[in-house]
Amino acid sequence: NAGVMQNPRHLVRRRGQEARLRCSPMKGHSHVYWYRQLPEEGLKFMVYLQKENIIDESGMPKERFSAEFPKEGPSILRIQQVVRGDSAAYFCASSPRRGQDNSPLHFGNGTRLTVT
Amino acid sequence: GENVGLHLPTLSVQEGDNSIINCAYSNSASDYFIWYKQESGKGPQFIIDIRSNMDKRQGQRVTVLLNKTVKHLSLQIAATQPGDSAVYFCAESPSNQFYFGTGTSLTVIP
Repeated sequence: NAGVMQNPRHLVRRRGQEARLRCSPMKGHSHVYWYRQLPEEGLKFMVYLQKENIIDESGMPKERFSAEFPKEGPSILRIQQVVRGDSAAYFCASSPRRGQDNSPLHFGNGTRLTVT
Repeated sequence: GENVGLHLPTLSVQEGDNSIINCAYSNSASDYFIWYKQESGKGPQFIIDIRSNMDKRQGQRVTVLLNKTVKHLSLQIAATQPGDSAVYFCAESPSNQFYFGTGTSLTVIP
């Protein structure tokens, strides 16, 4: 019974490099959310995707950040030309199709990005 | 984003005592609320949820209370154990979105 899988668990990048964070949702889940967390802080919403569609990206910086959830394969959060301020834990969460029944988000264990 | 806040950023309780963690939410349109527990180095873990048509829900050693009049949510943990030490987040959900507070750090003293 695999949960939400994120990789890598830890990622170190130099300033200016690209970071790619992957997330495989739970089986049967078609909704993916990405959150960012700084130490001692809460979870800040970044983007909400369904298969092949971005539903809400209001929390995503306008530049350098992008996300996708293709028909096949994991969801990818991509950060181009990373800066030190991008250092954080990035969490992915998934939920099944939401109809009339509410469903909680199920989280992965995150990717800790360090920019040197 | 939405403002989901917690009254107490830190809480220390004696092992065996009951714990109460509070949360204020701001969006009247939120109809679904969730409590999560986050241990160091891990992702948030679902504890219990409640819909807006309820004011109380109980789980194993945990109870969530919802007061829509004052937009307040609380998590009660009975007979707190050392393994309950973690950061606890509440989340509110209007439509398909989920907004989180800053969290309360619970420390259980043996």
